[in-house]
Amino acid sequence: QVQLVQSGGEVKKPGASVKVSCRASGYTFTSYGISWLRQAPGQGLEWMGWVSGYSDHIKYAERLQGRVTMTTDTSTTTAYMELRSLTSDDTAVYYCARVLSTYEFDFWGQGTLVTVSS
Amino acid sequence: EIEVTQSPGSLSLSPGERATLSCRASQSISSRYLAWYQHKSGQAPRLLIYGASSRAAGIADRFSGNGSGTDFTLTISRLEPEDFAVYYCQQYGTFFGQGTRLEIK
Repeated sequence: QVQLVQSGGEVKKPGASVKVSCRASGYTFTSYGISWLRQAPGQGLEWMGWVSGYSDHIKYAERLQGRVTMTTDTSTTTAYMELRSLTSDDTAVYYCARVLSTYEFDFWGQGTLVTVSS
Repeated sequence: EIEVTQSPGSLSLSPGERATLSCRASQSISSRYLAWYQHKSGQAPRLLIYGASSRAAGIADRFSGNGSGTDFTLTISRLEPEDFAVYYCQQYGTFFGQGTRLEIK
C-alpha cells in the first residue's frame, strides 16, 4: 500500500534552516511527483512547491522562491524539503503529498510540525 | 494567478442534513483540475473528489461534486457525524481556497 512517512517535529531558532524528509513506499517512486504544503496555526493549506520523482522538474511557490529547495533521492525513495532563513511565520505543519497527472494529491504524509521560536 | 474563493466560510448543520459547499475561481478553469479535500484536525487532508466530479477511492457516495467554468460545488447528501471537518477546493494543484468549516449544529 502507498505510504508517505515524514520525519519528526523540529524546533528551530529564527534565521535557521530546517529539512523535512518524506519516505515513500508502495509505488514506483519515479513515476510520481511530490508536492509540499503547509498549514500555519489557524490558517488554510498553502502549496509550497512540487518536485518530480527524478528531481528534474521543480516548481516553487513564488513567495518562497530563494528560501526553499526540494529534492528527491531515488535510491531511498525519499523526498526532501529544506526551508532557510526561518521566521516565526514559518511555524506550521508541513505535509508531503503524492501528485497525480491531473495535479490532485491522493496520498499524504502524516505531517511534520516545525516550530520557529527564539 | 488564479484566486479561489470558497463559501460559506463556515456552515452549521445537523447530522442527516444536506451540505452544499461552493468554490469559485477568478477565471475559467478546466474541470479536470478541480479537486476537493476533507481535513480533520490532527490528520492529513484526504482527497474526496477529483476532476470536479469523480469520487476518490473509498469515498462514500454521499459525497458528490459538480460544476464547470468558474463555479464548482461539493455536496454531502446526508451528513454523518464523521463528516464535520474543514473542506478545501484546489485548482491546478497549487491554488487552494480558504476552506469551509462544517460544524455540528
